[in-house]
Amino acid sequence: GNSVTQMEGPVTLSEEAFLTINCTYTATGYPSLFWYVQYPGEGLQLLLKATKADDKGSNKGFEATYRKETTSFHLEKGSVQVSDSAVYFCALLTPNQAGTALIFGKGTTLSVSS
Amino acid sequence: DGGITQSPKYLFRKEGQNVTLSCEQNLNHDAMYWYRQDPGQGLRLIYYSQIVNDFQKGDIAEGYSVSREKKESFPLTVTSAQKNPTAFYLCASSWTGDSNQPQHFGDGTRLSIL
Repeated sequence: GNSVTQMEGPVTLSEEAFLTINCTYTATGYPSLFWYVQYPGEGLQLLLKATKADDKGSNKGFEATYRKETTSFHLEKGSVQVSDSAVYFCALLTPNQAGTALIFGKGTTLSVSS
Repeated sequence: DGGITQSPKYLFRKEGQNVTLSCEQNLNHDAMYWYRQDPGQGLRLIYYSQIVNDFQKGDIAEGYSVSREKKESFPLTVTSAQKNPTAFYLCASSWTGDSNQPQHFGDGTRLSIL
């Protein structure tokens, strides 16, 4: 079946450090891939997405590239800020699942200190 | 502004009591979803609905019930049969028929047992 695997957290970084959160997936067909962010006490917000191989999604300094050969969608940011502290979720949706639920990874908690 | 509204933000349930969580969207989305979030477990799907008057069970539907009488509304009832209801509940919505479109989330309801 379809699944998403994220690196386990928590990830603890100092401000301005480089961030990578690994995400790999298993899916039939050609899924769309998403990163969501959840700030404390809030719902999920879409951070970025990629819908086909080699696409790069980007937003707020975060980037992720859809790598079909390695079935990965790793999230990166060159210089994190304290305000980036949150839980990050990788998710996928396959074409035959449109209108059904996203498949989420378990989430990775990022804590950034000044 | 279009979006998803969940209410209340905090809810307390007594033993043996049913409680209903509200979810309303004005995005004109066809599909709506309910997820449960527990620490360290990511998001688990409770129910989803792709069209008015129709809904399907997700992975953890036992002890919950839903209705979809209007396109914009998808209330979730946590029944007394749900023995461990303490969690953060998230409602989402999306278009059907296009896996490139992301789900949009509300800000969640935190349910606790008195």
